[in-house]
Amino acid sequence: QKEVEQNSGPLSVPEGAIASLNCTYSDRGSQSFFWYRQYSGKSPELIMFIYSNGDKEDGRFTAQLNKASQYVSLLIRDSQPSDSATYLCAVRTGGFKTIFGAGTRLFVKA
Amino acid sequence: DGGITQSPKYLFRKEGQNVTLSCEQNLNHDAMYWYRQDPGQGLRLIYYSQIVNDFQKGDIAEGYSVSREKKESFPLTVTSAQKNPTAFYLCASTQTGGYNSPLHFGNGTRLTVT
Repeated sequence: QKEVEQNSGPLSVPEGAIASLNCTYSDRGSQSFFWYRQYSGKSPELIMFIYSNGDKEDGRFTAQLNKASQYVSLLIRDSQPSDSATYLCAVRTGGFKTIFGAGTRLFVKA
Repeated sequence: DGGITQSPKYLFRKEGQNVTLSCEQNLNHDAMYWYRQDPGQGLRLIYYSQIVNDFQKGDIAEGYSVSREKKESFPLTVTSAQKNPTAFYLCASTQTGGYNSPLHFGNGTRLTVT
């Protein structure tokens, strides 16, 4: 079992729709969870992080964490073509080790 | 401006040669990381270091070596033992004051070995 799993996609949504990205992790001791966006050929950019169970909202983005189910998700409301990118889930385990999932490619159709 | 500098942006080497990728940060971060990314793939952890003179292997450390002699610097050497070294290499850093501090990334080095 991979430490951090994401659906590779691609996920295609129409402009203005909600995009839902999911991530599961294997280490129950994981402390913090991060979502990054990566455009082709570029470095990842932080979207948001979450460490407590529940929802965390920042503008059009909402991160959701369920530690009992070892599941973290990212919702993007009012999706725009500029949101088309690969979304990476990252999990921080013990000792500051930070592991990434394989990423989900998102396409937002105009 | 504070940030992470990786150099060079593109690097070409012949098979059998060792090559060292540079990573320097002026963010005063304690922890530094090296990741490898292959086309269409996520980031895989090579090595990470929480403090000077200490580092830990990640998931794919074979064929790579690192040093952490200074807080600001974390060079990665790709040795001839690495079977498929052609990839995009990303260096990152973070503070260790709390588990919620995000990684800050450099712009990456694209290594091609022929």
